[in-house]
Amino acid sequence: GENVEQHPSTLSVQEGDSAVIKCTYSDSASNYFPWYKQELGKRPQLIIDIRSNVGEKKDQRIAVTLNKTAKHFSLHITETQPEDSAVYFCAASIGTYKYIFGTGTRLKVLA
Amino acid sequence: KAGVTQTPRYLIKTRGQQVTLSCSPISGHRSVSWYQQTPGQGLQFLFEYFSETQRNKGNFPGRFSGRQFSNSRSEMNVSTLELGDSALYLCASSQIPDSTDTQYFGPGTRLTVL
Repeated sequence: GENVEQHPSTLSVQEGDSAVIKCTYSDSASNYFPWYKQELGKRPQLIIDIRSNVGEKKDQRIAVTLNKTAKHFSLHITETQPEDSAVYFCAASIGTYKYIFGTGTRLKVLA
Repeated sequence: KAGVTQTPRYLIKTRGQQVTLSCSPISGHRSVSWYQQTPGQGLQFLFEYFSETQRNKGNFPGRFSGRQFSNSRSEMNVSTLELGDSALYLCASSQIPDSTDTQYFGPGTRLTVL
């Protein structure tokens, strides 16, 4: 069935370093790929998204890249800060009506 | 604009009981989706409603049901609760029922089944 694989499940980086989270999707028709950040006890918040007609999108310290041929997309966070510590979820559109989510990456930024 | 709201925020029930959770979408959003979040399974899609109609349903048993009202508010119901139903239930709203339309999440309802 359709699925989204997300790696790694946990990631620890030193403050100021970069963090990269990778996702692979199975449905070649997927055309929308959002990333959500969920801090402990809070709701998932959209941080960036990308559509299939774009290969890369950047918003300050956050960027997402998409390789449609390989069916994978990645989140890049540069100059990480302690407040970046959270669980990050990728998602891919499946069919007409819904997303399927990756299993999440717990990012810890060490001061 | 006010964000997505969910009530109640916390619930404790016992096995066999039933529960109803409520979600009010962002004003102007007509599509509401429900997700179950557990530590082991991540975010699992339950169902989506638009114009009071269920548009899509995930792989959950029939004990899980929902509905949407004319003002786009949505409720989900779980009957005959099981211990494994303990989870954070999140709803998300979007303007239209299109998977390319961004979904915005509510704070969730934490359900504990004893």
